[in-house]
Amino acid sequence: NAGVTQTPKFQVLKTGQSMTLQCAQDMNHNSMYWYRQDPGMGLRLIYYSASEGTTDKGEVPNGYNVSRLNKREFSLRLESAAPSQTSVYFCASSEPTGVDPEAFFGQGTRLTVV
Amino acid sequence: EDKVVQSPLSLVVHEGDTVTLNCSYEVTNFRSLLWYKQEKKAPTFLFMLTSSGIEKKSGRLSSILDKKELFSILNITATQTGDSAIYLCAVVPNTGNQFYFGTGTSLTVIP
Repeated sequence: NAGVTQTPKFQVLKTGQSMTLQCAQDMNHNSMYWYRQDPGMGLRLIYYSASEGTTDKGEVPNGYNVSRLNKREFSLRLESAAPSQTSVYFCASSEPTGVDPEAFFGQGTRLTVV
Repeated sequence: EDKVVQSPLSLVVHEGDTVTLNCSYEVTNFRSLLWYKQEKKAPTFLFMLTSSGIEKKSGRLSSILDKKELFSILNITATQTGDSAIYLCAVVPNTGNQFYFGTGTSLTVIP
């Protein structure tokens, strides 16, 4: 019952460093999402991918890039990390037009940029 | 602009109290509304509501949707310390693939 798996769970970066957050789902979902969660701000959508080969900006895309490598995998890249990107990041997947459109979430990555 | 607003932002109650959490929305082409519970890690799914007036129930939790007034409530009766969490509401439109999340309500249940 893997569901959505994201790695790493924790990461500390220095300002200017780059890193990639990995996400994979085994539910054959077409749609995948990257969110960030900050205190008092709820879940804010960074990027999403409606299907393999497509990606779209969400609410807060600046400073991030994504790759939908295949149907299972959707990665999030920070090219030059900034302290403002300190947050908890969640990957999610869903089948929005299916009978059960709810999103399934990974366990989160707590990122600190110093 | 599509948006989802939850209230209150935070709530502290004693064990045994009943709480009502609110979620109002303005989303074009509404399809369904989802409630999630988030403890220390990932949000976990609670309910999906698509029709007005039909209560969904799971143990001490229940939820109902009003599509005319554009809101939903989540009720928790006889609260327990294990109910302490952030409760998130999300709306799924018919078109597009985005979930619109509210900011969440942080519930703390004290013994």
